[in-house]
Amino acid sequence: GQNIDQPTEMTATEGAIVQINCTYQTSGFNGLFWYQQHAGEAPTFLSYNVLDGLEEKGRFSSFLSRSKGYSYLLLKELQMKDSASYLCAVLDSNYQLIWGAGTKLIIKP
Amino acid sequence: DAMVIQNPRYQVTQFGKPVTLSCSQTLNHNVMYWYQQKSSQAPKLLFHYYDKDFNNEADTPDNFQSRRPNTSFCFLDIRSPGLGDAAMYLCATSRDLESGGQPQHFGDGTRLSIL
Repeated sequence: GQNIDQPTEMTATEGAIVQINCTYQTSGFNGLFWYQQHAGEAPTFLSYNVLDGLEEKGRFSSFLSRSKGYSYLLLKELQMKDSASYLCAVLDSNYQLIWGAGTKLIIKP
Repeated sequence: DAMVIQNPRYQVTQFGKPVTLSCSQTLNHNVMYWYQQKSSQAPKLLFHYYDKDFNNEADTPDNFQSRRPNTSFCFLDIRSPGLGDAAMYLCATSRDLESGGQPQHFGDGTRLSIL
């Protein structure tokens, strides 16, 4: 079966750095997405990785290792508005998006 | 702005009473998706349209139907809602199935409650 694993919940302090990990086992791989989802709202796109390495976009960076089936999302200079769920999703060999259940990130002052 | 619009944001229906959720897009994308998402769970794909080609996920209940009368609009019909169908329903679009780096674009969702 196909599986995406992420921690259920993480807590971090405003101004700090947090890393959210994602491991996957899927039928093929055509890229990995990270989405942010605030409570009661729709997911919004954050990043896409298809090659190994780090993609940086402002305060957010995403890393991929295809050989390890592993990705992480790094959030720097945390702000209270970053409190949300972060969903990892993998595009499989059929170009179907396989979603993780998300990591709820709680930011404390 | 080009976007994906879902109506209504909140829908309340009675147990067993048919309900229709709507989605429209101005992105001119070929693919439209319907997801069901329950609290603290991953979005679950119900079906998608590539243009007019309908693709049903194997585990989508028969109670759920969809229509796409044209490129811009897609509807989700729930014929006889049960209490287990209370969820957020998300509509999304993508330019093509083989999206490469192109993300899916989501509407704001419709939260469905069943009385």
